Amino acid sequence: AQTVTQSQPEMSVQEAETVTLSCTYDTSESDYYLFWYKQPPSRQMILVIRQEAYKQQNATENRFSVNFQKAAKSFSLKISDSQLGDAAMYFCAYRSGNNNDMRFGAGTRLTVKP
Amino acid sequence: NAGVTQTPKFQVLKTGQSMTLQCAQDMNHEYMSWYRQDPGMGLRLIHYSVGAGITDQGEVPNGYNVSRSTTEDFPLRLLSAAPSQTSVYFCAAGANEQFFGPGTRLTVL
Repeated sequence: AQTVTQSQPEMSVQEAETVTLSCTYDTSESDYYLFWYKQPPSRQMILVIRQEAYKQQNATENRFSVNFQKAAKSFSLKISDSQLGDAAMYFCAYRSGNNNDMRFGAGTRLTVKP
Repeated sequence: NAGVTQTPKFQVLKTGQSMTLQCAQDMNHEYMSWYRQDPGMGLRLIHYSVGAGITDQGEVPNGYNVSRSTTEDFPLRLLSAAPSQTSVYFCAAGANEQFFGPGTRLTVL
């Protein structure tokens, strides 16, 4: 079964600075999707960014970008110009393109200091 | 356009009781799924459905049943609640971009 590992339980960043959250995954599949979700204290799960495995270009959404290293099975999230509203739990997730299986990492709690 | 709704928001059960968590979507997505979230862990997939009449098991299906009679609704049934099922439950609609409901916090005493 696929596994998703987030090795940083907690991270901290100064407002306006840049932070990178790490994620690695294990799979033997070639067709899959990777996601970063944000969960603020409200508990609502919000999609931050998505990457299709077949795309070589790294996905970008405004201040959020990923570094997708397919051979290394690494999928890190970079948040630029961090804002207080970025404080939340961040979950990395993997979705199989073959069988709809979805796996989440344990999450990284991001604190943004003013 | 409500997106994905879940009821109830909170529930307390006694061991052995049964209940149904409701999930509804107005986004016309074929794919719907149920997750549980426990402290220190990410979401774990319980069951999913790729369309009306079609359901399948996820990572942690034991103790839960689902059905999908319409595109809109995807209820999750706890047959005989156990303390190990104390968790926050999320329903989601969509596949490559999942839209989550607000969650149900369930406590089993």
